[in-house]
Amino acid sequence: AQSVTQPDIHITVSEGASLELRCNYSYGATPYLFWYVQSPGQGLQLLLKYFSGDTLVQGIKGFEAEFKRSQSSFNLRKPSVHWSDAAEYFCSVGEIDSGTYKYIFGTGTRLKVLA
Amino acid sequence: NAGVTQTPKFRVLKTGQSMTLLCAQDMNHEYMYWYRQDPGMGLRLIHYSVGEGTTAKGEVPDGYNVSRLKKQNFLLGLESAAPSQTSVYFCASRGGADTQYFGPGTRLTVL
Repeated sequence: AQSVTQPDIHITVSEGASLELRCNYSYGATPYLFWYVQSPGQGLQLLLKYFSGDTLVQGIKGFEAEFKRSQSSFNLRKPSVHWSDAAEYFCSVGEIDSGTYKYIFGTGTRLKVLA
Repeated sequence: NAGVTQTPKFRVLKTGQSMTLLCAQDMNHEYMYWYRQDPGMGLRLIHYSVGEGTTAKGEVPDGYNVSRLKKQNFLLGLESAAPSQTSVYFCASRGGADTQYFGPGTRLTVL
């Protein structure tokens, strides 16, 4: 069965520091991969997605992610974190199951930013 | 263009009561999904629909029913609420480029 693993439950970084959130997936074919951000009390907002082509994808709010097939990873990065980036981040993989599009989510990584 | 909306935003139920959560989208999307979000568990798929008049079970369907009588609406019902159904419920629709659009969520507490 397909799965998504986010090994870090909590991450704390100082404002201005770089950030990397890890995501590993298990999927037989070429995956559709997504990163979402959720601020407290809000719904999920799409940060970026990978379908094919260039393995380094750019997203909103200065985020980027790199797809590494050999490592089954899709890590999210940001060179300089802002206090407003404090939120929960979810990695997701899209799958086609019997012709139906469905999505599997990781358990999330909660980011805390220190002033 | 309101995107995906959910009604209500908050609700408190007693064990055994019933309720219906409404999800509406104005983007003419075929696919719609209901998820529940629990601490440390991410989002889990309850039910989904691939078009008007169709529904299917997801990963955690027990205790829930759904209906998609109109393309723009996807209803999630709890016939007899249990404390284990205390959660935050999110609705989403699938648009072009395989992108999901999420509603703001419904926070449900079952006492």
